[in-house]
Amino acid sequence: GAVVSQHPSRVICKSGTSVKIECRSLDFQATTMFWYRQFPKKSLMLMATSNEGSKATYEQGVEKDKFLINHASLTLSTLTVTSAHPEDSSFYICSAREGYFGTSREAFFGQGTRLTVV
Amino acid sequence: AQSVTQPDIHITVSEGASLELRCNYSYGATPYLFWYVQSPGQGLQLLLKYFSGDTLVQGIKGFEAEFKRSQSSFNLRKPSVHWSDAAEYFCAVGALNTGGFKTIFGAGTRLFVKA
Repeated sequence: GAVVSQHPSRVICKSGTSVKIECRSLDFQATTMFWYRQFPKKSLMLMATSNEGSKATYEQGVEKDKFLINHASLTLSTLTVTSAHPEDSSFYICSAREGYFGTSREAFFGQGTRLTVV
Repeated sequence: AQSVTQPDIHITVSEGASLELRCNYSYGATPYLFWYVQSPGQGLQLLLKYFSGDTLVQGIKGFEAEFKRSQSSFNLRKPSVHWSDAAEYFCAVGALNTGGFKTIFGAGTRLFVKA
């Protein structure tokens, strides 16, 4: 099956610094990638959708200047949490979908990144 | 826009007993439906999915789910629960929106298994 690799699995950073999370599709071309955030004991909240080569579309309430998303290639998307603060601590999960709109029914998920801001 | 409701925040069943986790969705057309399981601190594992065809879907680990269009439901079942099934279960719906294809998750149901 399709494999999505997310790196790092855990990261601790100091308040005020930025941290980058990578999401790679290993055996398919991901024209669309999604970034989710999961608070403890909560569901996954979609943060943004990125299509390769274009700007990401952010969900309502998500700060685009805080969470920078780059989808520069068909196998890699990155999420950068800028000027991180303790309230940004969370579990971040990416998913990737093959094919352009309507051609693929399923997105494949990475294993998540636990971000702790101290 | 689509939405997913999992009415049970948590459920406790005895090991060996049967299990049913409820899921209702809201979407104007035929949705793509998924069930995922998540162990603490881990990512998501796909249990099963429904796109079309037979409304009873078989998944991994002995799970099955039935799509009922008239009830807008996609309940997950297992005839005999094992202690290792204790985890968080998420129902999800995938559908096209104006912004493209999205997968939206329900709030999740925490399964506890007692000996």
